Amino acid sequence: KAGVTQTPRYLIKTRGQQVTLSCSPISGHRSVSWYQQTPGQGLQFLFEYFSETQRNKGNFPGRFSGRQFSNSRSEMNVSTLELGDSALYLCASSLEGSIYGYTFGSGTRLTVV
Amino acid sequence: KNEVEQSPQNLTAQEGEFITINCSYSVGISALHWLQQHPGGGIVSLFMLSSGKKKHGRLIATINIQEKHSSLHITASHPRDSAVYICAVQIGADGLTFGKGTHLIIQP
Repeated sequence: KAGVTQTPRYLIKTRGQQVTLSCSPISGHRSVSWYQQTPGQGLQFLFEYFSETQRNKGNFPGRFSGRQFSNSRSEMNVSTLELGDSALYLCASSLEGSIYGYTFGSGTRLTVV
Repeated sequence: KNEVEQSPQNLTAQEGEFITINCSYSVGISALHWLQQHPGGGIVSLFMLSSGKKKHGRLIATINIQEKHSSLHITASHPRDSAVYICAVQIGADGLTFGKGTHLIIQP
């Protein structure tokens, strides 16, 4: 059974550019959530999608956006990149009502220079 | 605003020791998660709890809803248990709020 796949694994971008990260959930999982991890702030919730609808959003500026497709794959986009956006971006998928919680991907490490 | 506090922040122990990591939170929650993160970043979900106690192998997680407190125990610790252990709470259907993590090192 394939796990949660995030692409790319590593990314280097320049300030002001935009970036799109991809997350493919476990087959059958319709919920996908995104998180940012930095040394200073730790893990923070970005947003959650369920059946192509954003269900929750964390406290991040509008430069951070996402979407989910009909096959449950999700993308997140960060526009006008800032140095402070350098982080590990993780996504996780879950089966609604499951007692097993979340399955996390390996993350995309974004460096903004 | 919900706060999640973990203790200790850092813990170094000898192989075979019994390990306890604590997590306290400030508001009512719908679920509490214990996560494990190894160097390199990958996160593994260990437990999701809403009440009582769960056990998986050498790992045991407990939660006391009234006291707003959870503990993660590792019995017969092993160097491969060295990792960051993160507590996260969920309020209703909201996104997770995370603790800062406990850096655990088990020395042979």
